[in-house]
Amino acid sequence: DAEITQSPRHKITETGRQVTLACHQTWNHNNMFWYRQDLGHGLRLIHYSYGVHDTNKGEVSDGYSVSRSNTEDLPLTLESAASSQTSVYFCASSDGGGIAKNIQYFGAGTRLSVL
Amino acid sequence: AQKITQTQPGMFVQEKEAVTLDCTYDTSDPSYGLFWYKQPSSGEMIFLIYQGSYDQQNATEGRYSLNFQKARKSANLVISASQLGDSAMYFCAMREGSGSRLTFGEGTQLTVNP
Repeated sequence: DAEITQSPRHKITETGRQVTLACHQTWNHNNMFWYRQDLGHGLRLIHYSYGVHDTNKGEVSDGYSVSRSNTEDLPLTLESAASSQTSVYFCASSDGGGIAKNIQYFGAGTRLSVL
Repeated sequence: AQKITQTQPGMFVQEKEAVTLDCTYDTSDPSYGLFWYKQPSSGEMIFLIYQGSYDQQNATEGRYSLNFQKARKSANLVISASQLGDSAMYFCAMREGSGSRLTFGEGTQLTVNP
């Protein structure tokens, strides 16, 4: 079965370190997204990609970067981790745009703690 | 202005009863899609139901239905015959135009009591 996997599921790091969260999907979806979830804010979009070598900033992109070198993977990098980036991170993918349903399917999430 | 508003931080319902979770949205784009996701305590995000702005009928998926009132810009989720397993956080989300990004509301925590 096709799926979307995130790793690691839990991560503890120190302020100032670079951290990379992995996201891998086997749906062969063009679109991939990274969100963060914090209490009182729902899910907020960090970065997204509509295809290989395409990346775009979301509403909370400061301090984060992504790159898309193939269809399956969209790693999220925290260049210099800050305590404000302690959160639960979700990766999602969907198969296209236009007026089709374009349902996003989510990974299980990564809980990141920055100490 | 908030694009997606969920005004009920918490809701309680008795098992086997129906419950409505409110969602209002704000967009000037005539083409948009509305989604509901469920997040149980285990944390995963589960897609429940979709309504397109041009859909003539309200969406239904099993015990879930979407009460879509376009003029009022509301897309309320109705869960019929609530079950204990329906206890979860529920998120309303919107996609605007031909893009694929979603904007989420802050969620409603539903508790089903036995």
